[in-house]
Amino acid sequence: QKEVEQNSGPLSVPEGAIASLNCTYSDRVSQSFFWYRQYSGKSPELIMSIYSNGDKEDGRFTAQLNKASQYVSLLIRDSQPSDSATYLCAVKAGYSTLTFGKGTMLLVSP
Amino acid sequence: DTEVTQTPKHLVMGMTNKKSLKCEQHMGHRAMYWYKQKAKKPPELMFVYSYEKLSINESVPSRFSPECPNSSLLNLHLHALQPEDSALYLCASSQDKELAKNIQYFGAGTRLSVL
Repeated sequence: QKEVEQNSGPLSVPEGAIASLNCTYSDRVSQSFFWYRQYSGKSPELIMSIYSNGDKEDGRFTAQLNKASQYVSLLIRDSQPSDSATYLCAVKAGYSTLTFGKGTMLLVSP
Repeated sequence: DTEVTQTPKHLVMGMTNKKSLKCEQHMGHRAMYWYKQKAKKPPELMFVYSYEKLSINESVPSRFSPECPNSSLLNLHLHALQPEDSALYLCASSQDKELAKNIQYFGAGTRLSVL
């Protein structure tokens, strides 16, 4: 049974702070990792994808992957109230489809 | 352009009605997906079409019937639904479901209410 674990939150951070969202996965052969942002009542929107160990940066977002520890994280720098949403971690192994975590709710207070 | 278009945005139907949800993409993607999402839960995979053939059916009740008329279109036919089927129905597409770097792009969803 493939599992993707996320702390459901809410994670509360003040505006301008760094938000750190974490995700662990159980399937060691997982190859592809995705972070989706989902606003309440809306559909998931891809924020980042990462495939290799290390960091990948895109604007205020940094994804970090450690395959040995089966851990992937998303850092959001200079958090804004508009970043308040649920962040879904999704993992793909081989030919399988995506396995989603339950999501972490992020609340950024002004 | 990573647009997946879903219609209608909202749908209210009775338990005896027949309705259809539609999804369209023009990115040349060969994999298309239907997901069901309940409040405060992650998307739950229902069906996967790969190269216009049904590839995965996640033991979905027969009152949900998918159809892929061509590589750009995906339908979900609904019949005799139950109130517990009320949810956000999401369509997604990706280049090829077998690819390791297989990014799924989601449509805006159809909010379905069954009375």
